[in-house]
Amino acid sequence: GNSVTQMEGPVTLSEEAFLTINCTYTATGYPSLFWYVQYPGEGLQLLLKATKADDKGSNKGFEATYRKETTSFHLEKGSVQVSDSAVYFCALSALAYSSASKIIFGSGTRLSIRP
Amino acid sequence: EAGVAQSPRYKIIEKRQSVAFWCNPISGHATLYWYQQILGQGPKLLIQFQNNGVVDDSQLPKDRFSAERLKGVDSTLKIQPAKLEDSAVYLCASSTRQGGNTEAFFGQGTRLTVV
Repeated sequence: GNSVTQMEGPVTLSEEAFLTINCTYTATGYPSLFWYVQYPGEGLQLLLKATKADDKGSNKGFEATYRKETTSFHLEKGSVQVSDSAVYFCALSALAYSSASKIIFGSGTRLSIRP
Repeated sequence: EAGVAQSPRYKIIEKRQSVAFWCNPISGHATLYWYQQILGQGPKLLIQFQNNGVVDDSQLPKDRFSAERLKGVDSTLKIQPAKLEDSAVYLCASSTRQGGNTEAFFGQGTRLTVV
């Protein structure tokens, strides 16, 4: 079945450091891939997405490239800020048997940024 | 555009009691999801509706959980009787149906504590 595996946290970095959070997936067909972010006390928010191979999603300085050959969608940011501290979830959306999207999440990676 | 509305935000109940959560999706969104997010884990899909029909309820503990989506708009999720392990955040999300593979928009969630 479809699944998402992301690197375990927590990840602690200093401000302005480079960030990579790894995500790999298993899916039949051609899923869309997402990164969601959950700030403390808030709901899940879509951070970025990519809908086909080699697409690059980007938002707020974060980027991720849909790599079909390695089934990966790693999240990167060149210079993190304290305000980026949150839990990040990799997710995929693949067509269910009824043609409605089914969204599957990874276990999440907690990111803490030190000033 | 109004987001996904959920209520209540917090609920504390004793085990064996019953509880209900309410969700109002974004206007026009045909697909509605209920997820369970246990502390430290990624969201787990409980049930997915397409309009007022159930698409996937394979991970819904049907002996105690039930959900309905009357008239294809609002939805309620009920637990009866609750167990300690039901303590979690219950997230409602909605998405449009545009050929599948679309992102979901999440509500703030309801944090349930069973004591």
